[in-house]
Amino acid sequence: QVQLQESGPGLVKSSGTLSLTCAVSGGAINSDNWWSWVRQSPGKGLEWIGEVFHFGNTNYNPSLKSRVSISVDGSKNQFSLHLTSVTAADSALYYCARSLALAAPGTYGVRAFDSWGQGTLVTVSS
Amino acid sequence: DIQMTQSPSSLSASVGDRVTITCRASQSITKYLNWYQQKPGKAPEFLIYGASNLQSGVPSRFSGSGSGTEFTLTINNLHPEDFATYYCQHCYRSPWTFGQGTRVE
Repeated sequence: QVQLQESGPGLVKSSGTLSLTCAVSGGAINSDNWWSWVRQSPGKGLEWIGEVFHFGNTNYNPSLKSRVSISVDGSKNQFSLHLTSVTAADSALYYCARSLALAAPGTYGVRAFDSWGQGTLVTVSS
Repeated sequence: DIQMTQSPSSLSASVGDRVTITCRASQSITKYLNWYQQKPGKAPEFLIYGASNLQSGVPSRFSGSGSGTEFTLTINNLHPEDFATYYCQHCYRSPWTFGQGTRVE
């Protein structure tokens, strides 16, 4: 069973860059899955940030696209999030998750976040 | 973006009850709908995909239905461990978005 573990600073200064890493164990990151970052804050609920495929292909939430970068390191079996120009609104619990492709009747296949890290709290300070 | 709206935001229930949560999409997403359960201090856990398919290991008292814009999560015979917050999420097209959650208390 794949396991994910987030790591990174819990405190980031306003206007700085938030950088987190997700270590994947129990499975290869270069499998046919997308790997995502999701954040959760009291005000905005669960918000998908973006995802990366092991080839390096990325897909970002348009609301954050100008500030976000997600990359993958196959040699370390991990992927990373960088979010620039952070403000207090970026304070949240950040999760990494695997987006698994599943066959489902009535669809051409769905993707769901089947495995999640425990989450890491990031606070943006002024 | 496709907006997901859940109702109610919270509900009170007792062990043994049948609970129904509704999720509406701002446009048709056919069956591209997933459900998650989240307990306090924990990450969300994946329950249902493709609107009605139970993820492996999820108890059969959970069921999902619907298509298009309206979906339902039903929990039959509510167990003590089912008191949690439930989220729907569409996987129709990026960006993937979640409902605001329904707290079962």
